[in-house]
Amino acid sequence: GIQVEQSPPDLILQEGANSTLRCNFSDSVNNLQWFHQNPWGQLINLFYIPSGTKQNGRLSATTVATERYSLLYISSSQTTDSGVYFCAGSENQGGKLIFGQGTELSVKP
Amino acid sequence: DADVTQTPRNRITKTGKRIMLECSQTKGHDRMYWYRQDPGLGLRLIYYSFDVKDINKGEISDGYSVSRQAQAKFSLSLESAIPNQTALYFCATSDPKQGNYGYTFGSGTRLTVV
Repeated sequence: GIQVEQSPPDLILQEGANSTLRCNFSDSVNNLQWFHQNPWGQLINLFYIPSGTKQNGRLSATTVATERYSLLYISSSQTTDSGVYFCAGSENQGGKLIFGQGTELSVKP
Repeated sequence: DADVTQTPRNRITKTGKRIMLECSQTKGHDRMYWYRQDPGLGLRLIYYSFDVKDINKGEISDGYSVSRQAQAKFSLSLESAIPNQTALYFCATSDPKQGNYGYTFGSGTRLTVV
């Protein structure tokens, strides 16, 4: 089966700091996506990023499919960025998503 | 109203009881999914449906069943609940017709089996 691995497993930041979260995935993974789960449990889709770079405010993501990794950048972190960040991919075009174990981020004021 | 609505939000039930979790969506998406989240284990797929007549098992379907009543509705049943089914359950939708395979999740149902 496909493999999706995230690092680091947890991260503590001071408000205002920048961070990079990494997702490594196996050969057959497509449709890479990043999600944020807030402390109340809600899952929000941040990026659908099978390749290339996208930006949304203070967040950006880059996927290098040929090297099988994706990065999520958080700049000028805020306490509301706290929660768990998941990356996920599917084995074939449009297939079901398989999730990584997540990176738990805590941003301290 | 939320695009993907799950009911109930929280539920406590007893071992052996049958329980149904419901999901409805207003996004017009064909594809719907049920995931389970346990602490430290990420999200795991229970069942998925690519259209009204299509039902498929995911990686952890034992002890669960589903019904796709309409394009907008996908329900998950626990026929005889057991304590290790205590978890956070999520419904999700996707629609690749526009070339975007991004998933949209509901707010989750927190189920406790005692």
